[in-house]
Amino acid sequence: KAGVTQTPRYLIKTRGQQVTLSCSPISGHRSVSWYQQTPGQGLQFLFEYFSETQRNKGNFPGRFSGRQFSNSRSEMNVSTLELGDSALYLCASSIGTGVNEQFFGPGTRLTVL
Amino acid sequence: QKEVEQDPGPLSVPEGAIVSLNCTYSNSAFQYFMWYRQYSRKGPELLMYTYSSGNKEDGRFTAQVDKSSKYISLFIRDSQPSDSATYLCATPGSSNYQLIWGAGTKLIIKP
Repeated sequence: KAGVTQTPRYLIKTRGQQVTLSCSPISGHRSVSWYQQTPGQGLQFLFEYFSETQRNKGNFPGRFSGRQFSNSRSEMNVSTLELGDSALYLCASSIGTGVNEQFFGPGTRLTVL
Repeated sequence: QKEVEQDPGPLSVPEGAIVSLNCTYSNSAFQYFMWYRQYSRKGPELLMYTYSSGNKEDGRFTAQVDKSSKYISLFIRDSQPSDSATYLCATPGSSNYQLIWGAGTKLIIKP
């Protein structure tokens, strides 16, 4: 069974631009969560989607948004990029909601110049 | 004070040694803990989870929770160079929808 895939793997943007990251969960998994990982803050929860609905949201500004499609694929968007948005963005999928059995993708490394 | 504290290391040990990785947590209400392993340029991979106090063993890995001191540990026996990775502890805390993470400890096993 294929794992969680994320595209692109690497991205370089400049301040003020916007970016869209994509996540394809494991087949049959309906929940997708997004995390930001930085050396200073570690892993921080962004949001969780289940059946195309945002179920939970972390403490990030409104510039960070997401959506989930009927096939469970999810996208995350960051608008008006700031230097501090440089991070590894990780997507995790699970069959249901909750954090008990999350499987992570390899992440998208975003660099903001 | 962070809710989950973990020494970022690096921790360097010779091959074959017993490795002890540790985290402390601040809230005695936390009951469920996980250990993840993250290789370079990869996402975290769930290694083990434990509930409440006690030990849980899986092959060369043992997870231990000491609720009285709010201390969780991961022991690796007969460590191998392939165990070199960053190990992260995590807990759902009081929720079930997001994980609270430790900073991760970088482990280096020297051949």
